[in-house]
Amino acid sequence: QQQVKQSPQSLIVQKGGISIINCAYENTAFDYFPWYQQFPGKGPALLIAIRPDVSEKKEGRFTISFNKSAKQFSLHIMDSQPGDSATYFCAASRGRTGFQKLVFGTGTRLLVSP
Amino acid sequence: NAGVTQTPKFQVLKTGQSMTLQCAQDMNHEYMSWYRQDPGMGLRLIHYSVGAGITDQGEVPNGYNVSRSTTEDFPLRLLSAAPSQTSVYFCASRGSQGPQMNTEAFFGQGTRLTVV
Repeated sequence: QQQVKQSPQSLIVQKGGISIINCAYENTAFDYFPWYQQFPGKGPALLIAIRPDVSEKKEGRFTISFNKSAKQFSLHIMDSQPGDSATYFCAASRGRTGFQKLVFGTGTRLLVSP
Repeated sequence: NAGVTQTPKFQVLKTGQSMTLQCAQDMNHEYMSWYRQDPGMGLRLIHYSVGAGITDQGEVPNGYNVSRSTTEDFPLRLLSAAPSQTSVYFCASRGSQGPQMNTEAFFGQGTRLTVV
């Protein structure tokens, strides 16, 4: 049962373009939505995260857009660079206390062409 | 270097063998977790711990054991390796307070395990 659906599976963007990765969730109890970046042979690294009380969060060239009614959220990478080429995972968790289990999407492999 | 350290980086096992994947963190984090990453399936939680002496099962615990005798260490044991356990294993840690408690803040570099 895939609780967080991520698309596309792979993406090729030209240098300077905008990369957009989408995720949809089913469980309305989810209240924390992080994104991770993973380079080959490395562990995932936390990139940016959002709560559903805001519709957008921006950190540098990375922006999360959140649509609570549609149960969707997306990662936008502005001015994409070859160094952004990596696999990106969305995730979701719920709860404000204790250990919050994460549900991960299946990942998007991004290639930014020079 | 501060962070999460996993050993070994690579391992080949024969079916039925047992082994322990090591994980250590030096950030005094209460919460530690083990995930497996398989192609097309994202990361799935195997076991987690909320402090020394306290562990619990995640989504895919069968075939794995954990213990947490200290805050720093959280080893994962494969009792009798099977080809289905061929995967990349990641250990993660996070604090138990503040924003970082909501998600995995630090991952190790992973252990690539092949069971033949």
